Amino acid sequence: GAVVSQHPSRVICKSGTSVKIECRSLDFQATTMFWYRQFPKQSLMLMATSNEGSKATYEQGVEKDKFLINHASLTLSTLTVTSAHPEDSSFYICSARSLTGDMDIQYFGAGTRLSVL
Amino acid sequence: RKEVEQDPGPFNVPEGATVAFNCTYSNSASQSFFWYRQDCRKEPKLLMSVYSSGNEDGRFTAQLNRASQYISLLIRDSKLSDSATYLCVVINNAGNMLTFGGGTRLMVKP
Repeated sequence: GAVVSQHPSRVICKSGTSVKIECRSLDFQATTMFWYRQFPKQSLMLMATSNEGSKATYEQGVEKDKFLINHASLTLSTLTVTSAHPEDSSFYICSARSLTGDMDIQYFGAGTRLSVL
Repeated sequence: RKEVEQDPGPFNVPEGATVAFNCTYSNSASQSFFWYRQDCRKEPKLLMSVYSSGNEDGRFTAQLNRASQYISLLIRDSKLSDSATYLCVVINNAGNMLTFGGGTRLMVKP
């Protein structure tokens, strides 16, 4: 099946640091990638939709200036958490959309666990 | 009302049992439906798509009821390795956004 690589898998940083997370589709081109956040014992919450070559679409309540998304190519999207604070500690997961025939599937990265001290 | 709702569980079942989960969705125009499995602290992985006619993959059967707006997942002959959280996912009618249910936790015991 399609593979999505997400890096890094784990980040521990000091408050005020900016953290960059990469999401790559390894064997398919993804015009659309998605970024999710998951708090303990909760489901995935969509943060933003990343479209190649255009601005990301953010969900209500997600600060676009804090969570910078860049989708510079058909295989790479990045999420930068700027000036991270302890409340940003969470599990961040990306997914890449694959359209094959009549199947519309999301393939997920392995996630990035962010801990802000 | 949430767009996609699931009973959070946990469902505690013995090995070999049959267990079923339901998931209701509020948007009648929703286009596609999936079940994902998520193990603790890991990313969700696609378990199976849900087709209108119902579909089966080994011990797993998925069904869609558009009239009542729910999908179901049936697991037969439960294994210890089936213990996980099962996420119901609905794609909107524009086909560009997933909405996750809150997940149902399954624990299969020896």
